[in-house]
Parts: sequence; structure tokens; C-alpha cells
Amino acid sequence: AQSVAQPEDQVNVAEGNPLTVKCTYSVSGNPYLFWYVQYPNRGLQFLLKYITGDNLVKGSYGFEAEFNKSQTSFHLKKPSALVSDSALYFCAVRDIDSSYKLIFGSGTRLLVRP
Amino acid sequence: EADIYQTPRYLVIGTGKKITLECSQTMGHDKMYWYQQDPGMELHLIHYSYGVNSTEKGDLSSESTVSRIRTEHFPLTLESARPSHTSQYLCASSEGLQGTQYFGPGTRLTVL
Repeated sequence: AQSVAQPEDQVNVAEGNPLTVKCTYSVSGNPYLFWYVQYPNRGLQFLLKYITGDNLVKGSYGFEAEFNKSQTSFHLKKPSALVSDSALYFCAVRDIDSSYKLIFGSGTRLLVRP
Repeated sequence: EADIYQTPRYLVIGTGKKITLECSQTMGHDKMYWYQQDPGMELHLIHYSYGVNSTEKGDLSSESTVSRIRTEHFPLTLESARPSHTSQYLCASSEGLQGTQYFGPGTRLTVL
């Protein structure tokens, strides 16, 4: 069965420090991976995706993610966190049995303190 | 500007009422989705559509129903709302087999 895991319910980081939000996946075949962000009382906003090619994917708002096939991970990173990055982050993988459906992780709340 | 819209953004209603949550997209996407997001944050797919006149139930059983008469419109209906339906409902759309899903702003439903 395909799945996505976000092992941390919450990540706390000081403004200006680098941040990492973790995601691991389990799929058969090549994974298509996505990161979304959700601000309070809003829908999900697409940040970036990995389909194929370079393992380092750059996305919106200075975020990037590194695809690591051997560790089956797709961690979201940013070199210098902003207070405004505080939000809920979701990792997702394409369901290969139904290529247009996504399987979402449980979400990680990022709190950036001033 | 191409976008995806949901109305109302907030709705408070009494038990037993019939409600329809609206979702429209101007991106010309063929696929549309409804998710329910519980207070614990997790997203659950409750309905999806491949295209006009196509609807399927998602991974989470829901008492709601959907229709897809026009490409751009994917309303969700609850015939008789109950407090257990209190949740945030998110609509999304995508194009083709591997298109990115784009989400609307959501409707927060409270049933008293």
C-alpha cells in the first residue's frame, strides 16, 4: 500500500535559522511527490513537486525539497525561516493506482518564533 | 485570472437543513475533488470527478453527494446536515493524468 509519513506534528525554529520539515514515502514504482502549505482559514497552496530529474527541487517562497530515493524521503527545506512561514505543511504522493489522486501526509505545523 | 472559488466561506446552520457547498474553477481542469479536513488537520478525499457526468466516492465515506454537469462546477450537497458534518471542506482541481492539484479557499461548516 502506498503511504506518506510526516513524523513530526510540529517543528519549532527561530527566525533566520534553517528549517526542515520531514516527509517519507512508500510507493511502488517512481514516486511523484508534492508539498503544500496551508495558512489559517485558507485552502492548500502548492509549493513544489518532484516528478523526475534533479533531486533538488526549488519552489515558491524560497522553499526547496530534496528527493532521496535510497532513504525514500522528500524533506522540505528553507535556508532562513521567516515568521510568516508559520503554517501547516502537507507532503503528498501520487496514488499510482489512480494517477490523478493524491495521498496526503498528516501535516506538520511549523512555528517560527521571532 | 484563472482560479478556483468556493462559497460560502463560512456557514453555520441547524441540524436537518439541506445545504449545498459551491465550487467553481476557471482553469478548464477536467478533474475535480472534494476533501474533508478534520480538526486534527488530516485531509480525507470524499468525492472526485474525472470529467462531466463522472463522479466517484473517495476514500472516506460521506453522506454528501456531488454532481458534475459542467466542467467548471462541482457542488457538494448535504440533504440533512448533522453536527458530525461540522468540518472544513476543500475543493481542488487538476488537469490530465499528472497535473498538480490546486485548491480553493475552503468552506468552514458548523452544524448546530
